Order: sequence, then structure tokens, then C-alpha cells
Amino acid sequence: QVQLQESGPGLVKPSETLSLTCAVSDYSISSGFFWGWIRQPPGKGLEWIGNIYRSGSTDYNPSLKSRVTISVDTSKNQFSLKLNSVTAADTAVYFCARMNGGNFYYFDYWGQGTLVTVSS
Amino acid sequence: QSALTQPPSASGTPGQRVTISCSGSSSNIGSNTVNWYQQFPGTAPKLLIYSNNQRPSGVPDRFSGSKSDTSASLAISGLQSEDEADYYCAAWDDSLNGVVFGGGTKLTVL
Repeated sequence: QVQLQESGPGLVKPSETLSLTCAVSDYSISSGFFWGWIRQPPGKGLEWIGNIYRSGSTDYNPSLKSRVTISVDTSKNQFSLKLNSVTAADTAVYFCARMNGGNFYYFDYWGQGTLVTVSS
Repeated sequence: QSALTQPPSASGTPGQRVTISCSGSSSNIGSNTVNWYQQFPGTAPKLLIYSNNQRPSGVPDRFSGSKSDTSASLAISGLQSEDEADYYCAAWDDSLNGVVFGGGTKLTVL
């Protein structure tokens, strides 16, 4: 059973950078699949942020692309999210997940999510 | 405004059959497969249906999915109280080169 666990600060000041890490257990990121970030503002729906493949190739949501960086560390079996110049609109629960590609593009394993609040 | 359109709410009584629609465009549902997620309050979404109509191991066969042109549907038969949750459709969008989600449908079991 693949397990994912998000970690990072729960409070970020406006204009600063949000940084989260997703640790993967019981599956080696080097073995394949895509690894993604999804967020959910309080009381709202899901928004895809972006994906990364083991090679380091990435896809980002166009609406966030200028502020997002997703990276992977296969030696630690984890991947990370950085979102800069945050505002209150970036307050959300952030989920990491494994994505099956190959024309299917579904997220089959999810982390529990971590709430990040943007506030001074 | 979500790229995929779902009704904000749906309801049914125990034992009833309920369907949730998901409308998209040629760049997403029209070109790629549709996936459905179930989410209970305070928890992570769970994959319910993938590749239009496939159920992951452990998902009851009361849940089924279908797709036609640029629309998709999730059907739940024999509705149970524990099915009360939020349901999201999703698909890859070739124009955006990314995943798009529906706005979600809150299912209430009366």
C-alpha cells in the first residue's frame, strides 16, 4: 500500500514562499508514475497544481505556472512544492498524490492533506 | 469557474439510484478518459472510478461510470447513507496540458 505524507509550515506570511514536501513510502518514485500536488481552499473544490515525473519533467497549472516549482528527490523518495508570492487566496489544504499517466491521468493514492494558511 | 461542470448538489433516498453529471469540452472529456473521486469531510479524496467506467479494487459495484462525447456520468444504485459525500469528476485537458476537476457535487441521502 503506497503511502504519502505531506509536511511543511502551516502558516505562511503574504508575499513569502510556501514550501511543502511529500514523503512516499512503500513505493520507489524511481520506479515510475507521476507525482502531483492538488489543493482545496476551505469549503471549495479541488484544483490541480502540477505534476512531476521521476525524470524531473513537470506540468503546471497555467494559472499558477509563474509561481510554482515542483521538484523530486529520488534519493529521499520525496517530492516538493514551492509556491512563491503567496496571498490569502492560496490558503488551502494541500494534497500530494500519485498519478497514473498513460492516457488515464488518475490519482490513485493520496496523502492526508495539510492545511496551509496565508496570513500575517 | 471549473473547466468541468457538475451540479452543486444531488439527493436521493436509501435504495434509490442517483446520477451525477459532468460536462466538459472536446479538449478534456471529448479527448480523454474521465475519473471520479469521492470525498468525505476532512479527508482526502478517494479514487472511485477511473478510465470512464473502471472500479478500483474495493469499490462496490453499486458505483458505475459512463462517458459520451463531452459528458460523463456517475451512477450510484442502491443508495446508502454512507454514500453521503462530495463527488468530483476529473480529466486531462489537452489545451491546458493538465488535469481539470469539476466543481464537485454534494450528495445528500435523505
